[in-house]
Amino acid sequence: EPEVTQTPSHQVTQMGQEVILRCVPISNHLYFYWYRQILGQKVEFLVSFYNNEISEKSEIFDDQFSVERPDGSNFTLKIRSTKLEDSAMYFCASSEGSGFPVETQYFGPGTRLLVL
Amino acid sequence: AQSVTQPDIHITVSEGASLELRCNYSYGATPYLFWYVQSPGQGLQLLLKYFSGDTLVQGIKGFEAEFKRSQSSFNLRKPSVHWSDAAEYFCAVGKFSSNTGNQFYFGTGTSLTVIP
Repeated sequence: EPEVTQTPSHQVTQMGQEVILRCVPISNHLYFYWYRQILGQKVEFLVSFYNNEISEKSEIFDDQFSVERPDGSNFTLKIRSTKLEDSAMYFCASSEGSGFPVETQYFGPGTRLLVL
Repeated sequence: AQSVTQPDIHITVSEGASLELRCNYSYGATPYLFWYVQSPGQGLQLLLKYFSGDTLVQGIKGFEAEFKRSQSSFNLRKPSVHWSDAAEYFCAVGKFSSNTGNQFYFGTGTSLTVIP
């Protein structure tokens, strides 16, 4: 069964450093998403991406964040200058469509980011 | 605004016992409801979803959920829990927007421990 994969599974970085989290969505999916979960809190939507552009972003997704689909398979989340509060589990998801009523989103295993 | 509440942060049940995980949602329109499970090191796996029709929904691994509009609830149940069911369970509501596509709103999750 096709699945979403994410690398690395864990990332430790120093505050102020740039990190890139990588995701390989399911191959025939067209919509891609990033979510994050700070320990003990809800899974929160960050951004959705379609046709090589952001379709929606939350207020969390500020100028420190960017997303890119550098080739036909990868989908990346970059945090330019990490802060302590960026420590969280980051989930990538993909869906075949984004239509009515709601398309099922398929999630990867997550990358646990720790900012020191 | 849409939101999802999972009142139980952690539940412990004995193997073979029945299970009910609670989920309450707040959503102004017809809700599209999902339950996901996350085993350690794994992604969020879809257990079941409710869009319309029969309010009792069957999912994978012997799980079912019942949509009760009057109570704004979508509780997950299993008649007999197996040790392999120990995991984190997330309830989510999906929203469709003609402008931006789909967004998912998650609860904080319920951690299930199964004791022999």
